[in-house]
Amino acid sequence: NAGVMQNPRHLVRRRGQEARLRCSPMKGHSHVYWYRQLPEEGLKFMVYLQKENIIDESGMPKERFSAEFPKEGPSILRIQQVVRGDSAAYFCASSPDVKRTQHFGDGTRLSIL
Amino acid sequence: QKEVEQNSGPLSVPEGAIASLNCTYSDRGSQSFFWYRQYSGKSPELIMFIYSNGDKEDGRFTAQLNKASQYVSLLIRDSQPSDSATYLCAVNRDDKIIFGKGTRLHILP
Repeated sequence: NAGVMQNPRHLVRRRGQEARLRCSPMKGHSHVYWYRQLPEEGLKFMVYLQKENIIDESGMPKERFSAEFPKEGPSILRIQQVVRGDSAAYFCASSPDVKRTQHFGDGTRLSIL
Repeated sequence: QKEVEQNSGPLSVPEGAIASLNCTYSDRGSQSFFWYRQYSGKSPELIMFIYSNGDKEDGRFTAQLNKASQYVSLLIRDSQPSDSATYLCAVNRDDKIIFGKGTRLHILP
């Protein structure tokens, strides 16, 4: 009974490159959430998706960031033209419906050189 | 006013004592309340959730909710060194969950 799977666990990119973060929700969970956490900070909501639909992206930066959750395969958080300020831990969580508790993956630590 | 507020700490508690963690929230429409524990460098782990006013107990943990005061707390009895972590309070708003910045708890051996 696998939990939420995120990969890679660590990702290093140079400024200007693209970063792709993947998240496979728990079996039976169709709701996926992405959060960003800076050192010594709380979790900041970024986006909420269901299969093939973005439900709420109010926490996403207006530029360079995008997310998808295709019918087949994992959810992807994509950051284009990365900058130093994008360095953070990115967590994915899933739930069976919007009112149920969210279960977190181990996160992807993104470092920008 | 921030949506979910917590004292950042650190909160130092002697081993074996009761640790009390507090959280206030601004949205009166919130109906689901969660406590997550996060060890340094790790992902958040759900400890407790509570939906109704009053107390909910699970082992050494007790969550307390007072919707009139918009206040939720977590009590940890018989504190252990392994309880040292950051505790995140989370509250639902519409279709998402809003997290506080967390309280760092340090259990003194």
